[in-house]
Amino acid sequence: DVVMTQTPVSLSVSLGGQVSISCRSSQSLVHNNGNTYLSWYLQKPGQSPQLLIYKVSNRFSGISDRFSGSGSGTDFTLKISRVEPDDLGVYYCGQGTQYPPTFGGGTKLELK
Amino acid sequence: EVQLVESGGGLVQPGASLKLSCVASGFTFSDYWMSWVRQTPGKTMEWIGDIKYDGSYTNYAPSLKNRFTISRDNAKSTLYLQMSNVRSEDTATYYCTRRVGLDYWGQGVMVTVSS
Repeated sequence: DVVMTQTPVSLSVSLGGQVSISCRSSQSLVHNNGNTYLSWYLQKPGQSPQLLIYKVSNRFSGISDRFSGSGSGTDFTLKISRVEPDDLGVYYCGQGTQYPPTFGGGTKLELK
Repeated sequence: EVQLVESGGGLVQPGASLKLSCVASGFTFSDYWMSWVRQTPGKTMEWIGDIKYDGSYTNYAPSLKNRFTISRDNAKSTLYLQMSNVRSEDTATYYCTRRVGLDYWGQGVMVTVSS
């Protein structure tokens, strides 16, 4: 299975600040079809996960442009700018390139 | 609006069976592959498996393949997860999701395996 490693495990941020979360995969996430199926999810307290970013850098419907994804191969980054209270929660990366799909361990974003 | 609503969870004894359901609305259910994902009490996310839009093909996490079965009823827009011979490590919140990018998730249903 592809192992997804997220860092840091937790992150403190001031409102209006900017943060980056790293996600590394144990194998390249480039699919045979040329796409890279790396997604980012946010799980707010008491809620189910919601999709933020798919295929590395594409924002899902309704997601603010304060969220941006980048990376390639095995190294990926989620950046959140101008952090708002509603951004707090646990962020997960996930890969869908190889079966079985796997997820990172999560990064908890908290207020400083 | 896409909605996925799971049901069927609860407290179950080790070795028992349980069937979860997920009713979909807001999209053409029969056009989409669907998946089940679970989240342990420690918040680890684990993909369980998925099923083709017409129900003709399924994939499973190797560790769960012999005990879990995914099925669907497109006429009822409903996805199912049959769990058999459950173990304490199956204690988790179970989510149904649309397989494409796991773009929409249900609210989840808790399953607790304990005697």
